[in-house]
Amino acid sequence: DAGVIQSPRHEVTEMGQEVTLRCKPISGHDYLFWYRQTMMRGLELLIYFNNNVPIDDSGMPEDRFSAKMPNASFSTLKIQPSEPRDSAVYFCASTQRGVSGTGVTQYFGPGTRLLVL
Amino acid sequence: DQQVKQNSPSLSVQEGRISILNCDYTNSMFDYFLWYKKYPAEGPTFLISISSIKDKNEDGRFTVFLNKSAKHLSLHIVPSQPGDSAVYFCAASDSNFGNEKLTFGTGTRLTIIP
Repeated sequence: DAGVIQSPRHEVTEMGQEVTLRCKPISGHDYLFWYRQTMMRGLELLIYFNNNVPIDDSGMPEDRFSAKMPNASFSTLKIQPSEPRDSAVYFCASTQRGVSGTGVTQYFGPGTRLLVL
Repeated sequence: DQQVKQNSPSLSVQEGRISILNCDYTNSMFDYFLWYKKYPAEGPTFLISISSIKDKNEDGRFTVFLNKSAKHLSLHIVPSQPGDSAVYFCAASDSNFGNEKLTFGTGTRLTIIP
């Protein structure tokens, strides 16, 4: 398997523009996670899906952020309008349901480095 | 509120010596802990994990220790090698069925000095 695929790898945009980040999880994985990495807060979970259904979006910072998972092999994270403080690295990760009482390992994509000017 | 804390943002260790990275947590429901390693321009990769039923797990040069009473875990790397230079994230989960969410710390940047 090619692993988790994210695109684009780098995005530079101007404040106010719409930004769409894309993710293809590992085939067969039924959980998908979106994270944001910043120096101050480390890796923050923004939202995660199970079987394409959003389970927990409590980490989404504002209404400007939205995420969708139309099918098992594709998810998007959209920021509209974008602001300079959204500049960060955004990671997508996937995993599959574990057996109760055992932990699971998440597999991360290479990330999208976003710069909002 | 940071439920998983890595209080050392950075650590430098001589090649061949032992590297010890620390992590504290506050949520007593956490019962599964992981360490991830991250190189620049790459995503985090899984390194080693431990369940709360154990107090030690070893994999080659990497050993994770868990002290549940202190809500503390540590990652030992021995001997340290230049390729170990990376950012290390501690993560924790409540592994009850259906809850696959991980909570990460802020990371520790490890630099191995040749």
